[in-house]
Amino acid sequence: ELKVEQNPLFLSMQEGKNYTIYCNYSTTSDRLYWYRQDPGKSLESLFVLLSNGAVKQEGRLMASLDTKARLSTLHITAAVHDLSATYFCAVNSGGGADGLTFGKGTHLIIQP
Amino acid sequence: EAQVTQNPRYLITVTGKKLTVTCSQNMNHEYMSWYRQDPGLGLRQIYYSMNVEVTDKGDVPEGYKVSRKEKRNFPLILESPSPNQTSLYFCASSPRTGRYEQYFGPGTRLTVT
Repeated sequence: ELKVEQNPLFLSMQEGKNYTIYCNYSTTSDRLYWYRQDPGKSLESLFVLLSNGAVKQEGRLMASLDTKARLSTLHITAAVHDLSATYFCAVNSGGGADGLTFGKGTHLIIQP
Repeated sequence: EAQVTQNPRYLITVTGKKLTVTCSQNMNHEYMSWYRQDPGLGLRQIYYSMNVEVTDKGDVPEGYKVSRKEKRNFPLILESPSPNQTSLYFCASSPRTGRYEQYFGPGTRLTVT
């Protein structure tokens, strides 16, 4: 059974700081997704990482994928309050016609 | 505008009263899926559909039914809702299979008393 683990699950940080969210998964997968969810809102796709070594950046967020280590990271640079949200990583499960198996999410609060 | 829509957005009902949550997408996607989101558990797949008249169970299908009679619509049916189905439900779609970026609807918050 595929397991996707994120850590930390809760993170409070100050504006201007850097931090990294980690996503580990238990079985082989060649792609990984990062989503953002604001309170009471739907999921917004941030990144789709399609191969080993893939790195994508959008503004202050950068995501990377190491398929050999079964690890993805989401790095936040010089955090700003607007990045406060819950971040989910997800992996194709193989079952469910490759439905997504999600981590439990990282609830990120960035204090002004 | 390309989107996935769900209705209703909020629903409070009583145990045993059949209900349907509708989902529609306007992107001509073949793959559609339902997830439920519960605190501390993330999102879990309920059912999915690869195309019209092709549906199958996800990880947590008990107590749910689906149908796919048209490509754009994928309703979720709870024939006899129970309190443990109180949750936030999301419909999602992608071009062919789940191995493409999935686009999520706005969510339906369901409370069963």
